[in-house]
Amino acid sequence: DTGVSQNPRHKITKRGQNVTFRCDPISEHNRLYWYRQTLGQGPEFLTYFQNEAQLEKSRLLSDRFSAERPKGSFSTLEIQRTEQGDSAMYLCASSLNREVPGEQFFGPGTRLTVL
Amino acid sequence: AQSVTQLDSQVPVFEEAPVELRCNYSSSVSVYLFWYVQYPNQGLQLLLKYLSGSTLVKGINGFEAEFNKSQTSFHLRKPSVHISDTAEYFCAVKRYSSASKIIFGSGTRLSIRP
Repeated sequence: DTGVSQNPRHKITKRGQNVTFRCDPISEHNRLYWYRQTLGQGPEFLTYFQNEAQLEKSRLLSDRFSAERPKGSFSTLEIQRTEQGDSAMYLCASSLNREVPGEQFFGPGTRLTVL
Repeated sequence: AQSVTQLDSQVPVFEEAPVELRCNYSSSVSVYLFWYVQYPNQGLQLLLKYLSGSTLVKGINGFEAEFNKSQTSFHLRKPSVHISDTAEYFCAVKRYSSASKIIFGSGTRLSIRP
């Protein structure tokens, strides 16, 4: 399977704990995006990488959130001191640099539940 | 700034009936328009897109959408739905000049009754 993969698919944690999610994009896709989707809402943009450079961050991405893409391949999203409001589906997407506009390929997501 | 409004959170229809999912957008700059579909327990999948040219756009699975600039709408239609079309549908926009984010609507859940 050459699609976008995300791990874990589900994560349950207690408030105050740190969590880390991983995204493996489609190989050779140099752009990688993180979105957050809460119940009953559409995905909201969090951040975007081109290769290893983080080029844009949403105001939604508080200082408890950090994303990395150290070698321009897979990416990690870490949430420190989780809060109940962080419960959501975290989506990763990837695309080529010269993609047809909007042709972002999405992974299945990681569902986070903060108790 | 851009925004997307999907007027119906849920649309129930009978199998083989036609369906229209409504979408309106707001933007002070030119945008591309999209519809994405999310099947249960799966990732988002691009259904169709409007970039330029003909205002009637055809996508996968028999869906089509019409761009109406004067009404700032991009409604999605299918003449005859199937059980397998049960999913959540998201309308979205992206600025011409943006390399990054897509702005999504809140989604419309399409449920098909046999």
